[in-house]
This record gives sequence, C-alpha cells and structure tokens, in this order.
Amino acid sequence: AQTVTQSQPEMSVQEAETVTLSCTYDTSENNYYLFWYKQPPSRQMILVIRQEAYKQQNATENRFSVNFQKAAKSFSLKISDSQLGDTAMYFCAFMKGRAGTASKLTFGTGTRLQVTL
Amino acid sequence: GAVVSQHPSRVICKSGTSVKIECRSLDFQATTMFWYRQFPKQSLMLMATSNEGSKATYEQGVEKDKFLINHASLTLSTLTVTSAHPEDSSFYICSARGDTDHNSPLHFGNGTRLTVT
Repeated sequence: AQTVTQSQPEMSVQEAETVTLSCTYDTSENNYYLFWYKQPPSRQMILVIRQEAYKQQNATENRFSVNFQKAAKSFSLKISDSQLGDTAMYFCAFMKGRAGTASKLTFGTGTRLQVTL
Repeated sequence: GAVVSQHPSRVICKSGTSVKIECRSLDFQATTMFWYRQFPKQSLMLMATSNEGSKATYEQGVEKDKFLINHASLTLSTLTVTSAHPEDSSFYICSARGDTDHNSPLHFGNGTRLTVT
C-alpha cells in the first residue's frame, strides 16, 4: 500500500514571496504519478501540477514547480510570487501508473496555506 | 477540458432517510469513477471505486450496504447513502478520468455537502 505524508499542517507566506510545501511518499512501485491539488474554500479540487516518476526533469507550471527526488521519495511544491488567490488547502497525491487502468489517488493529509498582505 | 458534474451540491436530510448523489462526466466517457469522503479539515479518503456495468469495489471499513453505488452508464455513477445518520454528515466528492486518456489526472466534481439532522 502507498502512503503520502505532508508534515506541515499549516503554512503562511507573504504576498509576492516564495513558499515550499513538502511531501514524502512510500511505495514499492516503479511506475507512478505524483500530483499537487489545490482545494480553495469552495472545496473544488483543482490540479496544480503533475509529475511522472519516469521523468527526471522537474515539472513546472507558471509560478508552480516541484522538486522531485525519486530516491528520497520526496515531492515538494514551490510557489513563487505568491498571490492572495493561492490561499487554499494543498494536497499531495500518488497514483499508480499502469496503462489502461484508472488508478485511484492516495492523498496526503494536506497543508493549509495562507497568503498574507 | 474534461468536466465532472456532481449533484446536488448541498443536501439536508432527516436521520433514517436515504440520499442519492449523482456524478456525471459531461464530455467524456468514464468506465471508472471514484467516490471520496472528506471530513472537515481532513484529507480525502477513498470510499469505493465505481465500475461501469459491474459491482463497485469498496475500501476496507466502508459498508457496502450503507453506501450503495450504481454505475449504470459510461457517464453516470450514483452514490446512495441509505438510512443516513448524523455521523454520515460529510463532504462527498466524485472523480473520473477519460478512458482514452490513461495518463491524465483525475477530474473532480464540485462535491456534495451532506448534513443529516
């Protein structure tokens, strides 16, 4: 079974600053995907960024980037130039990567990020 | 992009009654859908995997007779909470992924807030 750990229940960052959210996971799988989802107060789950385990290059989406360390089983999210709209709950998630199947997501416990003025 | 519609967004019911929640993939077909449950300030916990045309697969500890799942078509899965009790009050979220895009992330519905009085 897979486990996903987010050790920071809450984080705070000032607007325009940079913040890093940590995530570690445990798996015996070699082929998998990692995701960061954002859940604002509306409770809608919004995909922020994804990483395929077979790719060594860290994924980047505009102000969001990850530091994927496969050997260490670490998958942190860096948010640059933080904006007030980034205030939300952030969940790290793991998915097995078997072609042809719709694998389930295993979520971490979440990090509540507050962006302040 | 892929859209998952969940209805209703909020429902209040009396203890002992049943409530049905619908999850529809609007612009893609989904052989598999997932039902999650989220308690306040907690993570998403997978309840069951809904398979079109066959029985759902329930996670350990989830009562299949209480949480009835029907996946009658490639675009619709329903979750019925039978004989609801106050402890069933929670936020329920469904998700799906298009069958032709095995490497895409899951798309989530907007969730249903169930309150049992």
